[in-house]
Amino acid sequence: QQQVKQSPQSLIVQKGGISIINCAYENTAFDYFPWYQQFPGKGPALLIAIRPDVSEKKEGRFTISFNKSAKQFSLHIMDSQPGDSATYFCAARGYSGGGADGLTFGKGTHLIIQP
Amino acid sequence: NAGVTQTPKFQVLKTGQSMTLQCAQDMNHEYMSWYRQDPGMGLRLIHYSVGAGITDQGEVPNGYNVSRSTTEDFPLRLLSAAPSQTSVYFCASSYSRQGDEKLFFGSGTQLSVL
Repeated sequence: QQQVKQSPQSLIVQKGGISIINCAYENTAFDYFPWYQQFPGKGPALLIAIRPDVSEKKEGRFTISFNKSAKQFSLHIMDSQPGDSATYFCAARGYSGGGADGLTFGKGTHLIIQP
Repeated sequence: NAGVTQTPKFQVLKTGQSMTLQCAQDMNHEYMSWYRQDPGMGLRLIHYSVGAGITDQGEVPNGYNVSRSTTEDFPLRLLSAAPSQTSVYFCASSYSRQGDEKLFFGSGTQLSVL
């Protein structure tokens, strides 16, 4: 059972363009939605995160849009640069019992920014 | 401050062999977890722990054991390796409390089971 669905699997964007990656979740107990960026041969690293009490969060060229009623969230990369070429994962996390549950990841989007 | 340290970086096993993937963190994080990464499958949670002495299963726990005797260490054991366990394994840690969930990943262990 895939609890976080991510699309597209791969994406090619021209330098300076907008990259958009979408995710949808099923579990209404999720209350933390991060995006991770991974370069080849490295572990994922946190890029930006949002909680469901806000509809948008922006950090530099990266923006998360969140739609709680639709159970969807997306990552927008403005003015995309070749250095943004990486694999991006959306994720979701909830809390039960005495602590945090595991982070559930989408399957990833391989983003290529063409110069 | 080393962060999350995984050893070894690469390992080749024969089917049926056992081994332990080591993970250590020096950030005093309560939460530690193991993920496997396979092409087209993303990151899937194997086991996690919210503190010393407490472990729980994730999405794909079969074939793996864990223990958490100290806050710093969270080893992953393969008791009888199978080719289906060929993957890249990542250990990660964070504080478990709400408001401080940033997950710190190690650099990964690439495991091949022949």
